[in-house]
Amino acid sequence: NAGVTQTPKFRILKIGQSMTLQCTQDMNHNYMYWYRQDPGMGLKLIYYSVGAGITDKGEVPNGYNVSRSTTEDFPLRLELAAPSQTSVYFCASSYSRDTSYEQYFGPGTRLTVT
Amino acid sequence: AQSVSQHNHHVILSEAASLELGCNYSYGGTVNLFWYVQYPGQHLQLLLKYFSGDPLVKGIKGFEAEFIKSKFSFNLRKPSVQWSDTAEYFCAVISGGSQGNLIFGKGTKLSVKP
Repeated sequence: NAGVTQTPKFRILKIGQSMTLQCTQDMNHNYMYWYRQDPGMGLKLIYYSVGAGITDKGEVPNGYNVSRSTTEDFPLRLELAAPSQTSVYFCASSYSRDTSYEQYFGPGTRLTVT
Repeated sequence: AQSVSQHNHHVILSEAASLELGCNYSYGGTVNLFWYVQYPGQHLQLLLKYFSGDPLVKGIKGFEAEFIKSKFSFNLRKPSVQWSDTAEYFCAVISGGSQGNLIFGKGTKLSVKP
């Protein structure tokens, strides 16, 4: 199993541009998450999904959108990129029947908005 | 709102020193607790987790943590650190019924001097 994969690894955007961060997992996990990590701030939840077709906002959803058309994929869309969205983005997944709720993380996407 | 506090932002130790990183959480109900580690330039990896049973949990690479419910604490320990333990450590909590949403602390950076 590849686990959770993310593309791209790095990206530089200009203010106002848009992009989609890709996330795929091959563990048949029904829960998927997007976090952003800023220095000294830990990780903050942006959006999550409990299954295909179901998404919900996390702590910091403004400026982002998500969709979940399949179990495997959970892309994160940035519209009108702003410097405040410069961050490292991590996708994660978990299995609802795992009562420990352990989450598995992807390698991250480092995004710079200038 | 739930929160996780990690008391130390940056800890510097010499090799073979003992380590204890503090973690306190604010939720009063049933919780699942995690320590994740992030080596420089890498994604988060699970060190250990507690979700039921023995409150003293052993993880990978010689780490352990003790869940003390009365103190809302889940401190991470290692009797003798190595240079390769240099990393950032994150405590995280999931409360019952939260759709598996992890709340992270801000992280503790550990630097081990050879």
